[in-house]
Amino acid sequence: DAGITQSPRHKVTETGTPVTLRCHQTENHRYMYWYRQDPGHGLRLIHYSYGVKDTDKGEVSDGYSVSRSKTEDFLLTLESATSSQTSVYFCAILGNSGNTIYFGEGSWLTVV
Amino acid sequence: QKEVEQNSGPLSVPEGAIASLNCTYSDRGSQSFFWYRQYSGKSPELIMFIYSNGDKEDGRFTAQLNKASQYVSLLIRDSQPSDSATYLCASYTGTASKLTFGTGTRLQVTL
Repeated sequence: DAGITQSPRHKVTETGTPVTLRCHQTENHRYMYWYRQDPGHGLRLIHYSYGVKDTDKGEVSDGYSVSRSKTEDFLLTLESATSSQTSVYFCAILGNSGNTIYFGEGSWLTVV
Repeated sequence: QKEVEQNSGPLSVPEGAIASLNCTYSDRGSQSFFWYRQYSGKSPELIMFIYSNGDKEDGRFTAQLNKASQYVSLLIRDSQPSDSATYLCASYTGTASKLTFGTGTRLQVTL
């Protein structure tokens, strides 16, 4: 357990509103990731971070932005939510040994 | 072509049998491979990882890696109904700090 918490765990929002999901870790891991999981698509990488203020895009980054102003927090923002962003969002952390991946509990987002 | 490919299943095996789950990858720069189990509505949980060619055993689970064939597999011996879940294969490429997942294989262990 890497002490990962995601918030909120469940959210319903309206189309066009901004939404921010938070991933918080307590063990000083360097690499953090945001994935979304949809039926038939598996886990797809949205953005990832390899340090404070160091982020990069994944395969499905359009419509999402991220920020990492401190080691423990990695924020995912949907600037203007759309129904296609209804999904389960998982934060993941690569253990510092490089051989263990920890997942948060997931954030269920519904855009209506 | 997806970077990590898995058969979506479902793969159905009787209780007590060996379940064989397969995964292929396209990036030869991939360094480590992970197998995860995911129950419906839950987050993925790590079963094991492998980074060297050959077999790695942990209890009822054996991971196999063949880098020449770009192939990773997971064997589950003495399958139990509680093993019924979706199994995710993932590759890690250190130079790009990328974790790439397959779409998962759904396993059903029948009584």
